Amino acid sequence: EVQLVESGGGFVQPGRSLKLSCAASGFIHSNYVMAWVSQAPTKGLEWVASIGTGGGNSYYRDSVKGRFTISRDDAKNTLYLQMDSLRSEDTATYFCARHSDPSYYSAPFDYWGQGVMVTVSS
Amino acid sequence: DIQMTQSPHSLSASLGETVSIECLTSEGISNYLAWYQQKPGKSPQLLIYYVSRLQDGVPSRFSGSGSGTQYSLKISNMQPEDEGVYYCQQGYKYPLTFGSGTKLEIK
Repeated sequence: EVQLVESGGGFVQPGRSLKLSCAASGFIHSNYVMAWVSQAPTKGLEWVASIGTGGGNSYYRDSVKGRFTISRDDAKNTLYLQMDSLRSEDTATYFCARHSDPSYYSAPFDYWGQGVMVTVSS
Repeated sequence: DIQMTQSPHSLSASLGETVSIECLTSEGISNYLAWYQQKPGKSPQLLIYYVSRLQDGVPSRFSGSGSGTQYSLKISNMQPEDEGVYYCQQGYKYPLTFGSGTKLEIK
């Protein structure tokens, strides 16, 4: 059974950093493009970043470029999101998600974690 | 960025009714269009991909259609478990973008 379990969320002041983790099981992590998707309170879904297999080619939405870094450790079956220079508008639930088809980078998301909340406030 | 315009914002339907949700894209996306359902407090679930392909385990009362810049999700024979928020998403190019969501409730 495919499982994605996020951790590392919490309450942080503006300008500080936080690192999210997503532990994967039930599939060969190294074979899949992985992603983070956010959802601000009572709002819709927003794609954050995706990372290719082997850690190659990463993509980010404009509002997080230069502040967030997506990475992966396939030996640990874990995806990460390093979040620096956090802003109040980064407050959201962050979901780890798997792109369904390894043959193309922008395949839809077929498995999602339960999400982890990040609150940025002074 | 490709803009996704979803409508309606919300709707209510009676059990057994058929409902449709529309998604307009700001440019052509070569049918790289997916639909998700999200229930309160839960993570989204993939329903349909590549316009009309049903994800494994999704009931056949869900169907998708469209081309170019106009796409739609149809739910036939509305059931209580179909309540939730529905999102379209384009996978044609980065940045990946979602529609604003349609909240579906039982009347």
